[in-house]
Amino acid sequence: DAKTTQPTSMDCAEGRAANLPCNHSTISGNEYVYWYRQIHSQGPQYIIHGLKNNETNEMASLIITEDRKSSTLILPHATLRDTAVYYCIVRVRSTNTGTASKLTFGTGTRLQVTL
Amino acid sequence: GAGVSQSPSNKVTEKGKDVELRCDPISGHTALYWYRQRLGQGLEFLIYFQGNSAPDKSGLPSDRFSAERTGESVSTLTIQRTQQEDSAVYLCASRVLGQSHTEAFFGQGTRLTVV
Repeated sequence: DAKTTQPTSMDCAEGRAANLPCNHSTISGNEYVYWYRQIHSQGPQYIIHGLKNNETNEMASLIITEDRKSSTLILPHATLRDTAVYYCIVRVRSTNTGTASKLTFGTGTRLQVTL
Repeated sequence: GAGVSQSPSNKVTEKGKDVELRCDPISGHTALYWYRQRLGQGLEFLIYFQGNSAPDKSGLPSDRFSAERTGESVSTLTIQRTQQEDSAVYLCASRVLGQSHTEAFFGQGTRLTVV
């Protein structure tokens, strides 16, 4: 699985949009971009994933550049409860036969949302 | 239960003793992962199971670590002759296969302290 690079930490004011960047310059065509977050003392939680199109769900938006070498996770209106470590992961798409691949976590970005 | 369940939630053991950690995945989830997370650090992949295929053990740090899974049910991670550097939170995740994308669901982890 391709390696990802994220800033170590970021701050964001409550109510503002949090934009978390991720570089994955060695990503290959069959790899998805996944985002998970880990709130203190809990297991990681899935946020969103994408292949090449921008994606949006109830938690966040994912913007993937046209060359797919980087992406940005956007939390549109950050709250204090969004304070967590955010992990960007690239993973090979499973085949129709259901082969799995491991999720390789980097060190992530520690997002601190402040009043 | 509805989620991934891990037991015990906390374990304190003496150096040199063996410990066994348990993971109950979500019913029907074919893939099961174990990770280790040391204090203040990211998730370190240990092993994953995928149905009846041979597990990927590439992340196990030494031969003191082993894991088993019977079919698509419970998994146990065993650490023999524990060392202080084994102190960490051990996280388990499960995922259903057979689709191009499925998210991994994590348990709350077992906090292991070796004294």
